[in-house]
Amino acid sequence: GNSVTQMEGPVTLSEEAFLTINCTYTATGYPSLFWYVQYPGEGLQLLLKATKADDKGSNKGFEATYRKETTSFHLEKGSVQVSDSAVYFCALSDRSGATNKLIFGTGTLLAVQP
Amino acid sequence: ETGVTQTPRHLVMGMTNKKSLKCEQHLGHNAMYWYKQSAKKPLELMFVYNFKEQTENNSVPSRFSPECPNSSHLFLHLHTLQPEDSALYLCASSQDTGGFTDTQYFGPGTRLTVL
Repeated sequence: GNSVTQMEGPVTLSEEAFLTINCTYTATGYPSLFWYVQYPGEGLQLLLKATKADDKGSNKGFEATYRKETTSFHLEKGSVQVSDSAVYFCALSDRSGATNKLIFGTGTLLAVQP
Repeated sequence: ETGVTQTPRHLVMGMTNKKSLKCEQHLGHNAMYWYKQSAKKPLELMFVYNFKEQTENNSVPSRFSPECPNSSHLFLHLHTLQPEDSALYLCASSQDTGGFTDTQYFGPGTRLTVL
């Protein structure tokens, strides 16, 4: 079945460091791909998405490119801030049925230190 | 972000209690979802409603009973829960369930502890 694998955390970085959080997926067909972010004490918020191969989603300095050949959707940011500390979830849309379902990875905790 | 609200934010209950979680969306969406978020595990989809009709029940035990009286409100009735049911319960909504690029918008969750 469809699944998402993302790197184990926590990821600890200093402010202004470069961030990469790896995400790979297994899916039949052509899913849409998402990154959601969960700040402490809050629900999930959509960070960015890509709907087809080679699309690049971007928001708030974060980017991810839909790579069909490597079945990946890695999240990157050139210079992280303390305020980026959160849990990041990679997800794909499950197209195996009529219902729009999201399949999530386990989440990666990012801790940015001043 | 007040698009999707959930009450209560925290709930402690005994195994013999009956309680309900409430979710309300102010986005004009037609689909609503319940997820369970446990530590160290991926988010688990529990139920999906589209235009008030249940379209997905992901093998959820009958001690969890959802109710969707209209497209804006979703409830999760809890009865005879187990300690392993302790988790963060998240509600989400989307325009409907037919659009595979539709974004799901999440509420802040209810932190449930079963004693």
